[in-house]
Amino acid sequence: NAGVTQTPKFRILKIGQSMTLQCAQDMNHNYMYWYRQDPGMGLKLIYYSVGAGITDKGEVPNGYNVSRSTTEDFPLRLELAAPSQTSVYFCASSYSIGGPNTGELFFGEGSRLTVL
Amino acid sequence: EDKVVQSPLSLVVHEGDTVTLNCSYEVTNFRSLLWYKQEKKAPTFLFMLTSSGIEKKSGRLSSILDKKELFSILNITATQTGDSAVYLCAAFSGTYKYIFGTGTRLKVLA
Repeated sequence: NAGVTQTPKFRILKIGQSMTLQCAQDMNHNYMYWYRQDPGMGLKLIYYSVGAGITDKGEVPNGYNVSRSTTEDFPLRLELAAPSQTSVYFCASSYSIGGPNTGELFFGEGSRLTVL
Repeated sequence: EDKVVQSPLSLVVHEGDTVTLNCSYEVTNFRSLLWYKQEKKAPTFLFMLTSSGIEKKSGRLSSILDKKELFSILNITATQTGDSAVYLCAAFSGTYKYIFGTGTRLKVLA
C-alpha cells in the first residue's frame, strides 16, 4: 500500500506565484487534513475534510484553498504565494470508511515549500 | 479555542535516564489523545489513549491519560540516543480535528 502520497517533495516559488500541493491516499479514509509546520514548531491545521465534497477551515486557512472531489484526493492550493507561507506541509488521513476506527492519523512524507 | 500545551519545550538527558513528557489539553468534545515521534520527516505514531488511567506500553515507552485533569504523560525509560526526536501530542476532538501541541524536543547524549 502507498498510504498517503504527497507531491512535490520540494518547491521554490516566487512571491505572487500560485501552486497546488497534491495529496492522495489509498486507504479509503474519509477524514483528510493539511498541516503546516514551521521550524521548531508543532503542526498547525490549515484545512480539513470529513468526506468528499465537505471541507472546513482549520487554525490558519488564510492564503490557501482546498477541494475534495473524491475520497482519495485532497489538493491544497496556494494563491499569490508570500514568504510567510514558507514551511513544511503535511497531508494526513484517518478513519477508514466501513473499517475499524483506530483513530490513528497517517501522514504523508511532507512537502518543503520556500517562497522567495 | 481548542489548545494543546506540551512541556518541557526541550530536554537534554544522558543515555539510561528516564524522562517524562507532559501534555495538557482543552479541546471541545475530546475523544482521544495521541502521541507521535518526529525525527527528520513525518511524525510516526506511538500511542492513542481514550480511557483514563489505563497505561499503554510499547517497549521502553509508556503513556497514560487523565481525563479529569485533562493531561497525559509519555514516559521513556533507559533512554537511548535513538530516542532523540521531537515528541508531539495531539487531541482528537468531536469536531473531527486533531489539534497538536508544539512538541517536546528530546536530545539523548551518549
